[in-house]
Amino acid sequence: EPEVTQTPSHQVTQMGQEVILRCVPISNHLYFYWYRQILGQKVEFLVSFYNNEISEKSEIFDDQFSVERPDGSNFTLKIRSTKLEDSAMYFCASIPRPPSYEQYFGPGTRLTVT
Amino acid sequence: AQTVTQSQPEMSVQEAETVTLSCTYDTSESDYYLFWYKQPPSRQMILVIRQEAYKQQNATENRFSVNFQKAAKSFSLKISDSQLGDAAMYFCAYRSTDSNYQLIWGAGTKLIIKP
Repeated sequence: EPEVTQTPSHQVTQMGQEVILRCVPISNHLYFYWYRQILGQKVEFLVSFYNNEISEKSEIFDDQFSVERPDGSNFTLKIRSTKLEDSAMYFCASIPRPPSYEQYFGPGTRLTVT
Repeated sequence: AQTVTQSQPEMSVQEAETVTLSCTYDTSESDYYLFWYKQPPSRQMILVIRQEAYKQQNATENRFSVNFQKAAKSFSLKISDSQLGDAAMYFCAYRSTDSNYQLIWGAGTKLIIKP
């Protein structure tokens, strides 16, 4: 069964450094998402991406964040200058087309900022 | 804006017993989807069950069923014959039909299974 993959599974970085989190959505999917889950807290929506552009973003998704789909398969989340409070689990998700019921989630990337 | 509330931070149940996890939501929309996701210690998000708001019939998936009360904006999850592998965080989530389809999440309920 096709699945969403994410790399790396765990990323440790120093404050102020740039990180890129990578996701490979399922190949025929059209909508892509990034969510964040700070340890012990609820999952928060960051951004949705459709037709090669951001379709919606949350207040969390400020100028430090960016997304792109550089080659038609990878879907990346970049944090330009990481802060301690960026430490969280980052999930990528995708859906084939609306109103498809289910979002398919990747296994997540644990980002630790020291 | 839509909100999702899970009022039980933690629940425990004896193995083989039945447990119900609560979820309420607030929306002005008439058509939407509701989901329960399971997050085991691995932190992978696993879909447990979904409910379309236009369907009156409550969704069921094996030992998992929901009690969907649209007027009350309530969406509880019942787990029958609880198993040790059911121990996890359970998240209730809402999805609109006319936005970019992102999920709005509750705070989660930690389910503990007592052997």
